[in-house]
Amino acid sequence: EAQVTQNPRYLITVTGKKLTVTCSQNMNHEYMSWYRQDPGLGLRQIYYSMNVEVTDKGDVPEGYKVSRKEKRNFPLILESPSPNQTSLYFCASRGMEYEQYFGPGTRLTVT
Amino acid sequence: GDSVTQMEGPVTLSEEAFLTINCTYTATGYPSLFWYVQYPGEGLQLLLKATKADDKGSNKGFEATYRKETTSFHLEKGSVQVSDSAVYFCAANSGGSNYKLTFGKGTLLTVNP
Repeated sequence: EAQVTQNPRYLITVTGKKLTVTCSQNMNHEYMSWYRQDPGLGLRQIYYSMNVEVTDKGDVPEGYKVSRKEKRNFPLILESPSPNQTSLYFCASRGMEYEQYFGPGTRLTVT
Repeated sequence: GDSVTQMEGPVTLSEEAFLTINCTYTATGYPSLFWYVQYPGEGLQLLLKATKADDKGSNKGFEATYRKETTSFHLEKGSVQVSDSAVYFCAANSGGSNYKLTFGKGTLLTVNP
């Protein structure tokens, strides 16, 4: 089954404790991206990757890092999380007609 | 940059009512247009898409037509069901170097039996 998976689905952490949210897709897509979803703000892009070793900033990259060492994986790294990064995060990969396939989401709470 | 505006919610309907959720966009060139649906506690699922003017996307009884002259992509369904209760997002993608989707803010639909 074609899918995008994310882990963990839920995470509660404390300010400053480094964390990684993993993302993996099995569709051999080149383009992947991360979004965050906040009430009243909709979805905003954090980072994207055009292919292995090619990444770039989206609209709200501050406080985040990404890496793309393999085509299928695109982890999101928060090196020093802060409470304003409490959000719902989605990973996505792009198909042939610009449609994007989303993972199930990771709900992060930073206290 | 691109922007997408969709009607504010929430929208509450009775089962079998007609649904319209308005969506308009501003973009350079001719974007591809999408409707996504988010059921409670789940991720976004692609509902339908249209890649050029006058295309009609359809899925699960939902339809939307790409109207270049009015820069619109309104979502319609003739008879909603309780199971259609969800948040609906309109989105546009202009391609270019970043295939970023620009989303509307979402419309919460509640269908009552």
